[in-house]
Amino acid sequence: DAKTTQPTSMDCAEGRAANLPCNHSTISGNEYVYWYRQIHSQGPQYIIHGLKNNETNEMASLIITEDRKSSTLILPHATLRDTAVYYCIVRVPNQAGTALIFGKGTTLSVSS
Amino acid sequence: AAGVIQSPRHLIKEKRETATLKCYPIPRHDTVYWYQQGPGQDPQFLISFYEKMQSDKGSIPDRFSAQQFSDYHSELNMSSLELGDSALYFCASSFSAGSRIMNTEAFFGQGTRLTVV
Repeated sequence: DAKTTQPTSMDCAEGRAANLPCNHSTISGNEYVYWYRQIHSQGPQYIIHGLKNNETNEMASLIITEDRKSSTLILPHATLRDTAVYYCIVRVPNQAGTALIFGKGTTLSVSS
Repeated sequence: AAGVIQSPRHLIKEKRETATLKCYPIPRHDTVYWYQQGPGQDPQFLISFYEKMQSDKGSIPDRFSAQQFSDYHSELNMSSLELGDSALYFCASSFSAGSRIMNTEAFFGQGTRLTVV
């Protein structure tokens, strides 16, 4: 799986958009970008994933650059409950049983 | 909706004892993953099973073993426990649908906190 690089930490004011970047310059053509988050000591939670088109769901938006070497997770209106560690993971989708490998994520702190 | 169930939620063991952690995946999910997360660390992948066969292996110590049963639940067996085994252990499940490549995400349980004293 391709390696990803994320900032160690970010701050965001409540109600503002949180934009979390991820670099994955060695991504291959069949690898997808996944985002998970982990609120303190809880199990990681799936947020969104995509291949090359921008994606949006009820939690977030995922913007992938045209060359696919980087992406940005956008939380449009961050709340205090969005404070968590956010992980960007690049992998081939679900070759039966191959695991998600967590690297060093971004600690997002949302404050009022 | 049903989630991944892990038991027990908390476990205290002494050094050199054994421990068994259980994971019940979401109904119809055929793949189970185990992760270990030490204090202040990121989740580390241990092992996974698809259709009751080991499918991927990470940094699982030789003292640990795991299996997936016919009802798809999984157990992680840990022997000769060491202080360093104290961690949160997460199980996740997903639906792999055989050889088809599907964009299915993994769902995580709330974890078992193991403390070795």
